Amino acid sequence: EVQLVESGGGVVQPGGSLRLSCAASGFTFSTYWMHWVRQAPGKGLVWVSRINSDGSTTNYADSVKGRFTISRDNAKNTLWLQMNSLRAEDTAVYYCGRGSGTYSASWGQGTLVTVSS
Amino acid sequence: QSALTQPASVSGSPGQSITISCTGTNSNVGAYNYVSWYQQHPGKAPKLIIYDVSNRPSGVSNRFSGSKSGNTASLTISGLQTEDEANYYCTSYTGTSAPVVFGGGTKLTVL
Repeated sequence: EVQLVESGGGVVQPGGSLRLSCAASGFTFSTYWMHWVRQAPGKGLVWVSRINSDGSTTNYADSVKGRFTISRDNAKNTLWLQMNSLRAEDTAVYYCGRGSGTYSASWGQGTLVTVSS
Repeated sequence: QSALTQPASVSGSPGQSITISCTGTNSNVGAYNYVSWYQQHPGKAPKLIIYDVSNRPSGVSNRFSGSKSGNTASLTISGLQTEDEANYYCTSYTGTSAPVVFGGGTKLTVL
């Protein structure tokens, strides 16, 4: 069974940093693209970032480029999202997803990030 | 404002069919056959129901179908059921450095 478990969310002050993790199991992690999407409270889904299977290709939404970094360790079956210079508008539930370069067929349950002073 | 435009809400009665549109441009929806649709119930993770315009993942009901014409993609749900009441999001590949965009979402109410 495919499982994706996000962790690392919490409350952080504006300008602070947070590192989200996504632990994967039940599939061959090293063969899939991985994505992060987020959802602000009461709002829609927004794509954040993606990384290809070997980590050599990464992409970001304009709103997070230069502040967020996606990475993965295929030996540890883990995906990360390093988030720096956090802003109030980054407050959201963050979901990791497994799939192709253009969609995610499986998702985790999400982790809440709250940016507030 | 989302790059892809969806109606904010649609509604239908059990057993009816409804269609949700997703309008983009000739730089995203119109340029690539990489439109996906997700269903999301409140407080739950998204669920992929259509990928690559019209393909259904294993286990997704054949009551869900997708299509595309020009810059507009569509999701049709036939034989509406109460459990179909949810939010639906379209996405498209863009071919840019920010290669995936979502629509703003459509709330489906089954009356």
